[in-house]
Amino acid sequence: TQLLEQSPQFLSIQEGENLTVYCNSSSVFSSLQWYRQEPGEGPVLLVTVVTGGEVKKLKRLTFQFGDARKDSSLHITAAQTGDTGLYLCAGRLTGGGNKLTFGTGTQLKVEL
Amino acid sequence: DTAVSQTPKYLVTQMGNDKSIKCEQNLGHDTMYWYKQDSKKFLKIMFSYNNKELIINETVPNRFSPKSPDKAHLNLHINSLELGDSAVYFCASSHRQGPNTGELFFGEGSRLTVL
Repeated sequence: TQLLEQSPQFLSIQEGENLTVYCNSSSVFSSLQWYRQEPGEGPVLLVTVVTGGEVKKLKRLTFQFGDARKDSSLHITAAQTGDTGLYLCAGRLTGGGNKLTFGTGTQLKVEL
Repeated sequence: DTAVSQTPKYLVTQMGNDKSIKCEQNLGHDTMYWYKQDSKKFLKIMFSYNNKELIINETVPNRFSPKSPDKAHLNLHINSLELGDSAVYFCASSHRQGPNTGELFFGEGSRLTVL
C-alpha cells in the first residue's frame, strides 16, 4: 500500500465529459500538489494547496484539499483532448520536511 | 534554455555494467533530487541534495551513488546494473524555501534499459 492512493488508475472518456480524480491517504499532509505528466516528459506542477478545505480553480480544473488534509480531488469540467496525460498528486507530510511523496497516478485519455 | 537537463535520455546496457546519468539545472535552485519511475508510472524519491549536502537518502541499494559537485549539478552513478534497475530516472530541482510549498521542476527523464 502506498502513502497516497489515487483513483481511478485509468480513465478513458469522450471530449466534453466531466471527471473527478481522487487522492487519498490516512496521513495528514502540510501541503499537497497536483502534477501532470505527458509522454517523454517530466511532471509539471498544476497547483499547490495548503489549507484544509481549500479550493483552487485553474480554468476548467478544480482542486480541493480535504478538511482534515488527508485527501484531495481534481475535477475537470468539459474535458478536452489536450487534458490527456498522467495526473499525479504529491504531498509533504506534516513534520516530514521537504520530502515530496507522489501518489500512484491516474492515466487520463480524452478522445474525440 | 532547458531548466533541468539530463543526459543521456536513453541508455541501454548489459547486466553487471556501471553507468552514470548527469543532471544540471540553471534555475538557481539549491535543492536537487533523483526520482525513479517504474513501469507502473509510480514515482519514488531516491535522493535529495541541498547545497551539495545529502539530505534525503531513501532505502536505495548501495550500488546507487549520487554525487553533487556543486549545487547546479547532481549526478547518479549505478554499479553492477540489474534487470530491476530498468526504469525512467528523473532529476528535479526546487528552492528549499518553507517546507510546504516548493514546486519541483523536473528534467525530461533518462530511460534506462538493462538487458
